[in-house]
Amino acid sequence: KAGVTQTPRYLIKTRGQQVTLSCSPISGHRSVSWYQQTPGQGLQFLFEYFSETQRNKGNFPGRFSGRQFSNSRSEMNVSTLELGDSALYLCASSLNSIGVTEAFFGQGTRLTVV
Amino acid sequence: GENVEQHPSTLSVQEGDSAVIKCTYSDSASNYFPWYKQELGKRPQLIIDIRSNVGEKKDQRIAVTLNKTAKHFSLHITETQPEDSAVYFCAASIGGGADGLTFGKGTHLIIQP
Repeated sequence: KAGVTQTPRYLIKTRGQQVTLSCSPISGHRSVSWYQQTPGQGLQFLFEYFSETQRNKGNFPGRFSGRQFSNSRSEMNVSTLELGDSALYLCASSLNSIGVTEAFFGQGTRLTVV
Repeated sequence: GENVEQHPSTLSVQEGDSAVIKCTYSDSASNYFPWYKQELGKRPQLIIDIRSNVGEKKDQRIAVTLNKTAKHFSLHITETQPEDSAVYFCAASIGGGADGLTFGKGTHLIIQP
């Protein structure tokens, strides 16, 4: 069974640009969550999608947005990039059935804003 | 919102000794507490989790204990081995999965040979 796949693995962008990151969950998983990981702030929750709907959202500005497609693949977009957006962006998928709690993370996309 | 504190930030133990990492949480509604291990340059991997209706859970050399009254939970690793060296994160959420997890800042566990 293929794991969670994130593309691209590395990105370099300039301040003010926008970027789109992609996440393909494990087959059959319907919940996809996104996290930002930085040395200073650790892992912080961005948002979670289930069946193409955003169910939960962390405390990030509106420049961070996402969506989920009917095949459960998810994208997140960051507009008007700032230097502080440089981070490892991780997505995680889970089955989201009652009693099943394990979440699987992708390898992440390392975004560098210059 | 939820706040998770994790201690210590760095823990160095001799190979074969035990390691204990402690976390506290603030939201009494949290009911799911996973622990993740992240090796350098790799993805976080779930190593053990516990729900609030259970006080302790064990999986071979790893155990987690939960004290709901005090709002703290701990990871115990016995007979540590070099491959246990990594950063460990605790987390808390309502519900489970990866939805809305609040993570601690991580503990860098170093196993000394």
